[in-house]
Amino acid sequence: QSALTQPRSVSGSPGQSVAISCTGTSSDVGGYNYVSWYQQHPGTAPKLMIYDVTKRPSGVPDRFSGSKSGNTASLTISGLQAEDEADYYCCSYAASNVVLFGGGTKVTVL
Amino acid sequence: EVQLLESGGGLVQPGGSLRLSCAASGFTFSNYAMTWVRQAPGKGLEWVSHITGGGDRTFYADSVKGRFTISRDNSRNTMYLQMNSLRAEDTAIYYCAKDPNMGGSGATPTLDYWGQGTPVTVSS
Repeated sequence: QSALTQPRSVSGSPGQSVAISCTGTSSDVGGYNYVSWYQQHPGTAPKLMIYDVTKRPSGVPDRFSGSKSGNTASLTISGLQAEDEADYYCCSYAASNVVLFGGGTKVTVL
Repeated sequence: EVQLLESGGGLVQPGGSLRLSCAASGFTFSNYAMTWVRQAPGKGLEWVSHITGGGDRTFYADSVKGRFTISRDNSRNTMYLQMNSLRAEDTAIYYCAKDPNMGGSGATPTLDYWGQGTPVTVSS
């Protein structure tokens, strides 16, 4: 049960787009369309931003989008805003009823 | 309004035990599977365990299998995590979270509501 691989940090200026990758294997990310993304601000609980690879829960701005190609999922934030500065975690179903998280990516708004 | 409130965290010595609780309100608790997720200080999220709505199926991360037991009491709208043989590496904030799918059976990466967490420190 190895964690999914994410970049430690990404950054962008307000209005720009940033993408966060999440690399797994054919036994997790690549094998199922069950990838979620969470946003976590310091000292707070995680918030669901994307589920089932591409779906957005009600209330999540449409500047957040998800995709997947092979064993790598991605979260894209378009039109970056100051309040988007946070840690982001990918999460995938893996075989045998196990769930894996990525190591997390810190998004910095310059 | 959905609310999840964890309790039971604290300081415990290595090898000791602790039982966490997650009190739920604002939804029909027995219809939804629930999950425990933890976060070590300054580290990322780690999936710990999952239980179906009826409590008949449970799943665990390898790191806690055989030491932790998840359970629920639907009459009390409460989920539990019994933690035995605690180690320093179990030190973390423990969050409970809800599966958004009514009648969900297997472990899921989709968790729509989270509690604020309860801290557990394992140290002598």
